[in-house]
Amino acid sequence: SQTIHQWPATLVQPVGSPLSLECTVEGTSNPNLYWYRQAAGRGLQLLFYSIGIDQISSEVPQNLSASRPQDRQFILSSKKLLLSDSGFYLCAASGGAVFGVTGELFFGEGSRLTVL
Amino acid sequence: KNEVEQSPQNLTAQEGEFITINCSYSVGISALHWLQQHPGGGIVSLFMLSSGKKKHGRLIATINIQEKHSSLHITASHPRDSAVYICAAPRGATNKLIFGTGTLLAVQP
Repeated sequence: SQTIHQWPATLVQPVGSPLSLECTVEGTSNPNLYWYRQAAGRGLQLLFYSIGIDQISSEVPQNLSASRPQDRQFILSSKKLLLSDSGFYLCAASGGAVFGVTGELFFGEGSRLTVL
Repeated sequence: KNEVEQSPQNLTAQEGEFITINCSYSVGISALHWLQQHPGGGIVSLFMLSSGKKKHGRLIATINIQEKHSSLHITASHPRDSAVYICAAPRGATNKLIFGTGTLLAVQP
């Protein structure tokens, strides 16, 4: 079955420091990959999605960037964190060679980022 | 107006009660997801359905595509069902989700 690993689970970073959250997918190839953020007390917001290696779309302008250097690896980065970047970040995957067009979604465990 | 709306936003129930959470959407979709977010933040996909009804244990999800409405039911609720339940509609071929605001369910023993 499809499994998503996301790390680190918890991160406390000072303002202005860099960020790297990593997500890897097992159990399928060529999945669609997504980064979502959930600010405290708010719903999920799509940040980036990717349909293939080096094919990434940004949904909202922000202080973050995403990269997909390998088919099943999705990285969320920032060069300089802002206080407003604090939140809960979730990686998700759908589709791929195994699950095709079922539309079923799988989520990582999430990464809780606190920027101080 | 949100494209995906849930009600109620907050729900408190006694253990054993039958629970219903509703989701209405204004976008044209082919399927709808029900997700469960635990207090720790992790999200689990409960159902993806495009028509009719699906059942998994004590959870039942129904959808009426014509009326653009879906419901999630929990029978014989238990405190471990306490979580945020989120409905989400995928948009387009890339499956980008539009999320409802979530329903915070607390089941008291």
